[in-house]
Amino acid sequence: RKEVEQDPGPFNVPEGATVAFNCTYSNSASQSFFWYRQDCRKEPKLLMSVYSSGNEDGRFTAQLNRASQYISLLIRDSKLSDSATYLCVVRGGNTGGFKTIFGAGTRLFVKA
Amino acid sequence: EPEVTQTPSHQVTQMGQEVILRCVPISNHLYFYWYRQILGQKVEFLVSFYNNEISEKSEIFDDQFSVERPDGSNFTLKIRSTKLEDSAMYFCASMRGQGTGELFFGEGSRLTVL
Repeated sequence: RKEVEQDPGPFNVPEGATVAFNCTYSNSASQSFFWYRQDCRKEPKLLMSVYSSGNEDGRFTAQLNRASQYISLLIRDSKLSDSATYLCVVRGGNTGGFKTIFGAGTRLFVKA
Repeated sequence: EPEVTQTPSHQVTQMGQEVILRCVPISNHLYFYWYRQILGQKVEFLVSFYNNEISEKSEIFDDQFSVERPDGSNFTLKIRSTKLEDSAMYFCASMRGQGTGELFFGEGSRLTVL
């Protein structure tokens, strides 16, 4: 089983749509969770951290289910500028170290 | 705004040659990482570095790879004898504290091995 698994997409949605991405992770000892965004041929950038209680940042909502080892990202009112690859990121594990693993990403295309 | 800087932005080398990729992390950061991304593929963890030593490494990070923080400022990745399959974008990242800390990435160094 992959350490971090995501649906690769692509998701093709119209402007204004709501879209949800899911991610599962294999190591139950993982400690920290994030969503990053990567534009074509650019470096990954933090979109938001994911907390156990769930958290929201404007149009973006992240959820974590530790029991199911599942992370989600919801984007409301999609904008053209949201077109990118969304990376699910998981840190930590049994060794207590700092290994930070990226999923393969989910591609989103928002169309006018 | 402080940023992670990487040099060179692009390097072309012949198979079998040694390559050194350089990174200057954000000055008050304590944790440093190298990642690799082959074109069209995922961002792959190579190595993490803390307190002047490797804290974790992946199976990709074999004996041909090494990292060093020679002067308290630069953080380098050396590939001793490059192979065609080493062609990729190499990203350096740094983090201030562990746990929930954000990884800040440099813009990457594209390595092309001919």
